[in-house]
Amino acid sequence: GQQVMQIPQYQHVQEGEDFTTYCNSSTTLSNIQWYKQRPGGHPVFLIQLVKSGEVKKQKRLTFQFGEAKKNSSLHITATQTTDVGTYFCAGPVGSQGNLIFGKGTKLSVKP
Amino acid sequence: EPEVTQTPSHQVTQMGQEVILRCVPISNHLYFYWYRQILGQKVEFLVSFYNNEISEKSEIFDDQFSVERPDGSNFTLKIRSTKLEDSAMYFCASSRGSGQAATNEKLFFGSGTQLSVL
Repeated sequence: GQQVMQIPQYQHVQEGEDFTTYCNSSTTLSNIQWYKQRPGGHPVFLIQLVKSGEVKKQKRLTFQFGEAKKNSSLHITATQTTDVGTYFCAGPVGSQGNLIFGKGTKLSVKP
Repeated sequence: EPEVTQTPSHQVTQMGQEVILRCVPISNHLYFYWYRQILGQKVEFLVSFYNNEISEKSEIFDDQFSVERPDGSNFTLKIRSTKLEDSAMYFCASSRGSGQAATNEKLFFGSGTQLSVL
């Protein structure tokens, strides 16, 4: 079946360092979404990418969607302690809006 | 901003007991979902619900699970006879959708119900 894989599983950085998480799908995706889950919290939507090769920025966060629409990345520049959490990518399955999530990358930031 | 609300936040039950988890999706949303997350693991899809019926379900969603929209605002997940392995955080989510398709719609998640089966 369809799979969405994410690496790394964990990333520990010093505050101010950059961070990148990578997402790969076993199938071509119509779109990819990114969610952030703070410790003890629920997933919160960050962004959606739809077009092949698309790049979107949100302040220090840069999201990319691969040309083949099978991979994506999230890059955070100069991490802050507020960036702590687990970042999930998710791709659609079927037409009813349900998503298949990657296992997530848990980011910890040392002040 | 509108929110998805879930009750209770924690539920402890004995194995074999029935539990009902409750959710109030965002009022103008058309698609409703249940996901679960076992501690430290990924978010797993259980079921989607549209137009008062199940639209898709995963293999996790077996005969022990059922969903219902008993009125115009609530959306419930029932587990008939809980097992130890049902212990997880259960998230309700909703999306706006348009017509019969909800692809490309972002999901709004509730804060979850932590279910512990003893």
